[in-house]
Amino acid sequence: EIVLTQSPATLSLSPGQRATLSCRASQSVTSHLAWYQQKPGQPPRLLIYEASNRASGIPARFSGSGSGTDFTLTISSLEPEDFALYYCQQRSNWLPITFGQGTRLEIK
Amino acid sequence: EVQLVQSGAEVKKPGESLKISCKGSGYSFISYWIGWVRQMPGKGLEWMGIIYPGDSDTRYSPSFQGQVTISADKSISTAYLQWSSLKASDTAMYYCARHGSGSAFDSWGQGTLVSVSS
Repeated sequence: EIVLTQSPATLSLSPGQRATLSCRASQSVTSHLAWYQQKPGQPPRLLIYEASNRASGIPARFSGSGSGTDFTLTISSLEPEDFALYYCQQRSNWLPITFGQGTRLEIK
Repeated sequence: EVQLVQSGAEVKKPGESLKISCKGSGYSFISYWIGWVRQMPGKGLEWMGIIYPGDSDTRYSPSFQGQVTISADKSISTAYLQWSSLKASDTAMYYCARHGSGSAFDSWGQGTLVSVSS
């Protein structure tokens, strides 16, 4: 099983600042990595797929990068609605699909 | 518009059986994998398994193999997650999600809360 480790566990920033979230895989997942945002009481929402592609309707301030084992989600300038939980997820050779443990982005 | 609509919240006792559903619309249901994801209270996301409604090909996470059964009825565009004997530790929110072409879950149901308590 491929283990995804997200860091930091919690990130405290202010609106307007840049956020950088990391996801490291225990073995290569090539580019088969996605990022999701989850707000309280809501299902996750896909932000980024295949490491660097923004999903439909996702603002341009969200960007993804990386390949192999190291990936980054960047939010260029935080808006109030961006404070939420963020998860990475891999699908490499199908089984099993795994999620990272999450990064909480909170208002400083 | 792609939509996945899940069945409503359930309150059950340990040992009881349960089947929850996820109805897809707005796309070709038989052409996309549907996955199930567990989220225990205050915890992260756990992938349980996935089914291809076109031919019912099903894969399970090792953590959930033998604990649940995933199925689909393509005639009514609905996927299912079922338990034969619930435990208190099955208390969680369960999401279905469509696995799109980009190796990701691109559309999610609203979730079904399952509470198991004596």
